[in-house]
Amino acid sequence: QVQLQQSGPGLVKPSQTLSLTCAISGDSVSSNSVAWNWIRQSPSRGLEWLGRTYYRSKWYNEYAISVKSRITINADTSKNQFSLQLNSVIPEDTAVYYCGREFTAGGPNWFDPWGQGTLVTVSS
Amino acid sequence: DIQMTQSPSSLSASVGDRVTITCRASQSIGSSLNWYQQKPGKAPKLLLYAASSLQSGVPSRFSGTGSGTDFTFTISSLQPDDLATYFCQHSHSIPWTFGQGTKVEI
Repeated sequence: QVQLQQSGPGLVKPSQTLSLTCAISGDSVSSNSVAWNWIRQSPSRGLEWLGRTYYRSKWYNEYAISVKSRITINADTSKNQFSLQLNSVIPEDTAVYYCGREFTAGGPNWFDPWGQGTLVTVSS
Repeated sequence: DIQMTQSPSSLSASVGDRVTITCRASQSIGSSLNWYQQKPGKAPKLLLYAASSLQSGVPSRFSGTGSGTDFTFTISSLQPDDLATYFCQHSHSIPWTFGQGTKVEI
């Protein structure tokens, strides 16, 4: 059974960097049939996909246009985890952040499972 | 981006009722539509993928139909454990987007 365990601070100051990690058990971050995503949820924006990383002979990243200039998603094969960095945060980045595995083995894709969620508040 | 519009935004029903939620995509997405259940304070949980395929372990009272732009999610007989918010999500092309959610109250 695949499980995702998130970690990282719940409070970040404006203009600083939000950093979260998602540790994977029961699957490999280098699997060729999945992608590893970050999604956030806030009352004002609902569920918002932020980006993903995946391995297909080499590493690929795709990001939402809304955060593309500020976001980095990296995989760490030695620890079997992946991470989110969001730079220059503003109060509007306050949200619950989720990591999620995206099943991609041909045809439609879906997210399963999700991490437990981390409430990140951007405030001084 | 493909916009996903869900209706209604909330509903109240009784145990045993049949509940239907609709999701409309702003362009054709084939059958690339997933449904999730989110209980208060928890992460979303996959219920249905590819419009109508039931995820392993999910009760058969949950079902989905549709293709193209119009999709329907149904709970055939509402149970107390179904108190939650339900979201649709397309997987046709990046960026993935979600509906705004339907809160089901009992």
